Formats: sequence, C-alpha cells, structure tokens
Amino acid sequence: QSALTQPASVSGSPGQSITISCAGTNSDIGGYNFVSWYQHHPGKAPKLIIYDVNKRPSGVSIRFSGSKSGNTASLTISGLQSDDEADYYCCSHAGSYTWVFGGGTKLTVL
Amino acid sequence: QVQLQESGPGLVRPSETLSLTCGVSGSFISSGYYWGWIRQPPGKGLEWIGNIYRSGNTYYDPSLKSRVTMSVDTSANQFSLKMNSVTAADTAIYYCARKGLSYYFDYWGQGILVTVSS
Repeated sequence: QSALTQPASVSGSPGQSITISCAGTNSDIGGYNFVSWYQHHPGKAPKLIIYDVNKRPSGVSIRFSGSKSGNTASLTISGLQSDDEADYYCCSHAGSYTWVFGGGTKLTVL
Repeated sequence: QVQLQESGPGLVRPSETLSLTCGVSGSFISSGYYWGWIRQPPGKGLEWIGNIYRSGNTYYDPSLKSRVTMSVDTSANQFSLKMNSVTAADTAIYYCARKGLSYYFDYWGQGILVTVSS
C-alpha cells in the first residue's frame, strides 16, 4: 500500500484557520470511515487529535476538526495558536486490518 | 494514565536483527487492546509496521511481513518487535503504541532511534 499524500508544509498566522489535506484511494480513505490524525512535536510522543474521521478524543480542543470527501480527508485547525506548530500526520485503515500513514505536514505559525 | 516506553539497542549492524521492547504502564497487555509498532525514517513520514493482540494474533505490513516478528509477554506487561536482515533503510525512530477501541492509536511511546550501520 502507498503512503497517503499530504502537503509538506502549511502556515498561518495566530487566530487564522488552516486546513491540511490527506489524499488516499478507494482502498483506504475512500473505503472506510477510519481516518485519524496525529499531532507530533519532534522528540515527543505523537498525540491523537481526531479519530473515525471527525471525532475528538476527550481533552482535545474543539479548534481541531476533521472531515472526509471521497478519497480525501481534511484536518482543520481554527484559531491558530503558537503551540499548534508541529507536524501533523493522517492515517487510515487500509483493509485486512492494516494501516497506512501520510507523509506528514509541517505547520508553521507565523 | 497509560504510558509506553521503548527500549533496545540504538545501533544494529547490517544483516543483523533489530530487537525492541515496549513496556506498558497504566494498561494491561492482557486487556482487550491491540498493541502496535510504527516507525519514522529520517526526514520521512510514519510507517505502520504491525499490531499484536494478547493472544499473539498478529497483523503486519505486507512489505515487512517476511522480516518482522512480534510477541507479547503478559507477565511483564510488555510486547516486542524483531526485524531481521536489517539494512540502512531500516534506520528510523521506532514507536510503540496502543490501538484504541476503533481504528486509531490512542497512546504512543516517545520513540527510540535505531541506526543500522557497521
């Protein structure tokens, strides 16, 4: 299975909203409602921020939201804050109890 | 609070076997969760390696399946990864994680850098 496709980088100013896309295929994103997103500050453990396309774990800010259309999933972060600056990874179930991740997107808060 | 901690050698010689262990606290390996390994090569994205259940039932990435073995030790509350015939392409930060009740990983370790070099 091939990695999901994410933009290498996105940026935004504090208070703005940004959206990160994650493109897959009918065999992963398009075939299942099992997309998750992770926030990763280098050197720390990745943190789950969205699961099952659009659900937020307890304790995750409502500024984070997820959606899916066809073979593409999206993560939107509203009201950007400086500590949102991190790497973001999408992930999808890919059938036969396997997973595929995206290449990651570096978010810069200007 | 669930915590995971990877341990093992940081340097492995080419063609040898990489061996890592993930110690778990705050959750029992014998509970109804799957436990997984994910890696991140330098400058690249995350790659799923495989998952294991308390029974020893495993699922591996097809591209790594021939070289990977996972196991669980419920008495020590830990699980392990072995990858044989390693090459420089296996140099990466290796993470262990718990798969949640649906198809996601809800708790992760901080990762361990493993370098394959002579």
